[in-house]
Amino acid sequence: DTAVSQTPKYLVTQMGNDKSIKCEQNLGHDTMYWYKQDSKKFLKIMFSYNNKELIINETVPNRFSPKSPDKAHLNLHINSLELGDSAVYFCASSQVIRSQGWSGYTFGSGTRLTVV
Amino acid sequence: GIQVEQSPPDLILQEGANSTLRCNFSDSVNNLQWFHQNPWGQLINLFYIPSGTKQNGRLSATTVATERYSLLYISSSQTTDSGVYFCAVAPFARAGNNRKLIWGLGTSLAVNP
Repeated sequence: DTAVSQTPKYLVTQMGNDKSIKCEQNLGHDTMYWYKQDSKKFLKIMFSYNNKELIINETVPNRFSPKSPDKAHLNLHINSLELGDSAVYFCASSQVIRSQGWSGYTFGSGTRLTVV
Repeated sequence: GIQVEQSPPDLILQEGANSTLRCNFSDSVNNLQWFHQNPWGQLINLFYIPSGTKQNGRLSATTVATERYSLLYISSSQTTDSGVYFCAVAPFARAGNNRKLIWGLGTSLAVNP
C-alpha cells in the first residue's frame, strides 16, 4: 500500500523517559513533516525536512529532535518526557508539482502519546 | 503572522442537508488546503485551492484570493461526512516556506441520520 506509516500508534510512558516515533512514506514525496495536535484539536507544525534537509524548525523544546536518514523516513525522538507532551503526533509528506502546485499533504494515522 | 479563522466552529446537520464552511485569512497566500479529520482521527487532504473553484463529488471549494476567504461546500451530507474540517494556508514567501501551513481551529461537523 502507498502511504505514510508511523509507529507506534499508541505510546504510554512515564515522565522522564525517552521515546521515539518512526515515520516512513513510500509516495516518493520530497518533504516530510511532524505535527502536534493538542487536546483541543489544534494542529501545529513542529519540523519539516526537504530531501533530508531541515527547512522548518518551529519553537519546540530542544528535547524534541527529528532525524531524517533519507527522504523516505523522518523520525522524532523525545527526551525527558513531560506531562505536557501528551498529544497526538502526526507525520505527513508532500510534493511540489510544478504544473499543479502541490500534490497535497498525506498524513499518517497519528501516534497518541500519553505521559503519566 | 497570518491569522486563519474558520466558521462556524460547530455545525449539526440532518443527513441530506447542504452546508457551507468558511475560512478567512488575514494576508495573501499562495497555498491553501482543506482537510477532513474523521472521528477516528485520520486526516485527509480534500483540496489544494489557493484560488479558483474545484469540485470532487459532493464536495466543492472556492477561494477568492483577493478577498482573502475560501468556502467549502458539502452537498447532500452523509453521516460519513462527520468530523472536523480544517483550512490551512501558507503566506507568500520565498520558495520552500510555502510548505509551512498555518491551520485554522476547524469546523466540527456532525451529520445525524
